[in-house]
Amino acid sequence: EAQVTQNPRYLITVTGKKLTVTCSQNMNHEYMSWYRQDPGLGLRQIYYSMNVEVTDKGDVPEGYKVSRKEKRNFPLILESPSPNQTSLYFCASSLWTSPDTQYFGPGTRLTVL
Amino acid sequence: AQKVTQAQTEISVVEKEDVTLDCVYETRDTTYYLFWYKQPPSGELVFLIRRNSFDEQNEISGRYSWNFQKSTSSFNFTITASQVVDSAVYFCALSSGQNFVFGPGTRLSVLP
Repeated sequence: EAQVTQNPRYLITVTGKKLTVTCSQNMNHEYMSWYRQDPGLGLRQIYYSMNVEVTDKGDVPEGYKVSRKEKRNFPLILESPSPNQTSLYFCASSLWTSPDTQYFGPGTRLTVL
Repeated sequence: AQKVTQAQTEISVVEKEDVTLDCVYETRDTTYYLFWYKQPPSGELVFLIRRNSFDEQNEISGRYSWNFQKSTSSFNFTITASQVVDSAVYFCALSSGQNFVFGPGTRLSVLP
């Protein structure tokens, strides 16, 4: 089944404790992206990647890191999480790097205490 | 800068009513794409439609229809004969390059 998977689905952590949210797609998509969803703000793009080893900042990259060492994986890293990073996070992928339809993972709900 | 506005924060209708969700966008690019996504209470994001800036034809898919008007920079979404299962948050989005901009979403509640 073609899908985007994220792990974990739920995470509660404390300020300053490094964490990684994994994202994987099995559709051989070139483009992958991370978003955060906050009430009243919709989805805001954190980082995106057009291919292996090619990443770029979205609208809200501060406090986040990403890497794209393999085509299928695009982990989101929070080196020192803070409470304002409490949010719902979505990973997405699309076949091409041009504005193509994005398919989303199930979401990761992160709470930073 | 690109921007998407969904002025309706929440809408409530009674089942079988028609409802239109508004989307207004801003971009300086001549080539761009517009999207609608649905987020039901279960939380996943479901793709509904993609439209490019050169195609102003309205589209109908079952009870769903979309009206794209470049003159007013709008891409409105109408649900005909709404059903309880249509209750969700609906997002309009814009892309003209490598990044995507989403609107804040409209929460639609369809009451039985």
